[in-house]
Amino acid sequence: EVQLLESGGGLVQPGGSLRLSCAASGFTFSSYAMTWVRQAPGKGLEWVSIISGSGDTTHYADSLKGRFTISRDNSKNRLYLQVNSLRAEDAAVYYCAKDTGDIVATGGFDCWGQGTLVTVSS
Amino acid sequence: EIVLTQSPATLSLSPGERATLSCRASQSVSDYLAWYQQKPGQAPRLLIYDASNRAAGIPARFSGSGSGTDFTLNINGLEPEDLAVYYCQQRINWPITFGQGTRLVIK
Repeated sequence: EVQLLESGGGLVQPGGSLRLSCAASGFTFSSYAMTWVRQAPGKGLEWVSIISGSGDTTHYADSLKGRFTISRDNSKNRLYLQVNSLRAEDAAVYYCAKDTGDIVATGGFDCWGQGTLVTVSS
Repeated sequence: EIVLTQSPATLSLSPGERATLSCRASQSVSDYLAWYQQKPGQAPRLLIYDASNRAAGIPARFSGSGSGTDFTLNINGLEPEDLAVYYCQQRINWPITFGQGTRLVIK
């Protein structure tokens, strides 16, 4: 069974940093792109970033470039999101999700974690 | 950035009826469009990918159609459990974008 489990969220002050983590199991982790999607309270889904199976290729939402960094450790089956210079508008549930392929236009995100909540407040 | 506009914002229907949800793209996405269902308090779930292909385990009463800029998600024989927000998503161009969602209310 494919499973994704996020961790690392919490309360952080404006300007602070967090490292979100996603533990994957039940599939060949290195064969699939992985993505982060966030959802502010009461709002819709916002795509954040994606990384290829090998980790060589990454893409980000334009508004987040420079503050967010996606990475992965295929030896540990883990996905990460480093979030820096946090702002109030970054407060959201952050989901990791598995792609159906490896950064190709076809497909979708076919397995999602339960999300980890990031709160930004002083 | 490709903008996806979903309509209606809210759809209220009775059990057994057919729901028709629309997603319009600001430029062609070919057929690289997916639909997701998000039930209250849950993570999203992939329903349809590549405009018309059902994801694994999705009932046949969910169907997708369209190409280019206009797409439709149909749900036949509505059940109370279909109460959710439905999102479309494109992935032909970076950044990946989602529509703002359609809330489906079951009367």
